[in-house]
Amino acid sequence: AQSVTQLGSHVSVSEGALVLLRCNYSSSVPPYLFWYVQYPNQGLQLLLKYTSAATLVKGINGFEAEFKKSETSFHLTKPSAHMSDAAEYFCAVSGVNTGFQKLVFGTGTRLLVSP
Amino acid sequence: SAVISQKPSRDICQRGTSLTIQCQVDSQVTMMFWYRQQPGQSLTLIATANQGSEATYESGFVIDKFPISRPNLTFSTLTVSNMSPEDSSIYLCSVDAVHGADTQYFGPGTRLTVL
Repeated sequence: AQSVTQLGSHVSVSEGALVLLRCNYSSSVPPYLFWYVQYPNQGLQLLLKYTSAATLVKGINGFEAEFKKSETSFHLTKPSAHMSDAAEYFCAVSGVNTGFQKLVFGTGTRLLVSP
Repeated sequence: SAVISQKPSRDICQRGTSLTIQCQVDSQVTMMFWYRQQPGQSLTLIATANQGSEATYESGFVIDKFPISRPNLTFSTLTVSNMSPEDSSIYLCSVDAVHGADTQYFGPGTRLTVL
């Protein structure tokens, strides 16, 4: 079965610092990988996705993620954190085993940004 | 991307009652999905709703508890039946992308509290 593991339920950074949110996946077939963001009291917004094209994926709001097959990772980064980046971030995977339409989510990482 | 709305946005209900949540999309989509997000938890897929056929439920979810309708390509409802406090969650609908089936877009969610 496919799964994702997000390391760290909470990550704290200072404004202007590098943001690194970790996601490792488990899949016996090439996966599709996604990062979603959830702001307080809102639904999920797609940040970026990897679907077997370029391994370095750029998303909205200055975020990017790199697919590393050798490390089974899809970590999310942003060079400089803004206060507005404070939110819950979810990594998700889909693939042929579950049907590409079925998303399996990680447990989420709450990003805290301090001034 | 599709614009998705949900009604109600939140509700407080008494145990033993039922609540029907509506999901409306501004364009025709093939697949609609219903997720549950329990307090402080990640998202779990409840079922996939296809127009013109029975919904497909994930393990641990049954039609008697979560009946789903999908009368057309832009609308679906999820009913939470015979509610208990354990059903207190955020319920989100999502749809596959209009242009391609590898990405899901989420509605704003319905925050349900059962007393």
